[in-house]
Amino acid sequence: DQQVKQNSPSLSVQEGRISILNCDYTNSMFDYFLWYKKYPAEGPTFLISISSIKDKNEDGRFTVFLNKSAKHLSLHIVPSQPGDSAVYFCAASEGGSGGSNYKLTFGKGTLLTVNP
Amino acid sequence: DAGVTQSPTHLIKTRGQQVTLRCSPKSGHDTVSWYQQALGQGPQFIFQYYEEEERQRGNFPDRFSGHQFPNYSSELNVNALLLGDSALYLCASSQTQNIQYFGAGTRLSVL
Repeated sequence: DQQVKQNSPSLSVQEGRISILNCDYTNSMFDYFLWYKKYPAEGPTFLISISSIKDKNEDGRFTVFLNKSAKHLSLHIVPSQPGDSAVYFCAASEGGSGGSNYKLTFGKGTLLTVNP
Repeated sequence: DAGVTQSPTHLIKTRGQQVTLRCSPKSGHDTVSWYQQALGQGPQFIFQYYEEEERQRGNFPDRFSGHQFPNYSSELNVNALLLGDSALYLCASSQTQNIQYFGAGTRLSVL
């Protein structure tokens, strides 16, 4: 039973355009959400997070939106760059902002390809 | 400042053998979590260690065990290896109430 779902295995966008990666969750106890990026032969790298008390968090080119009623979050990358090409994982945990230190439940990931 | 380091990077074992994987956390971090990533899947939580105790455990059999040392480094042990244990094993470290940072992982192949 997958509690965190990333339904798009892959996404291809042109350099300079917006990339939108989506994630759905089923466990209503999740209250802290994170996005990680993974290049081949490297471990996942933390990108951005959001607590359930917020509906938006921005960090430079990256913005995460949370819709609690729909149990849906999305990651927007604007503008997309070729170096953004990687696998993006959505992850969730329980326990609020302190819960980022607890068990993370991951989706299967979305391969983003940004074409020059 | 060194990040999370894992050793070895690659390992080949045969069914029934035992394996030990090692992790050194990022400087200043006191919590270590272990994840298993099978091909085409997201990382799955195995367990987490804090203050040398197992704090949380995922849905993995008792063949998977771990340890945390006083210097916060950690080991993951897997006994009686099965073909299905072939995966990338990731270690993540964190401070209390902070983000988990991952190492590059150990690729385990069971033949």
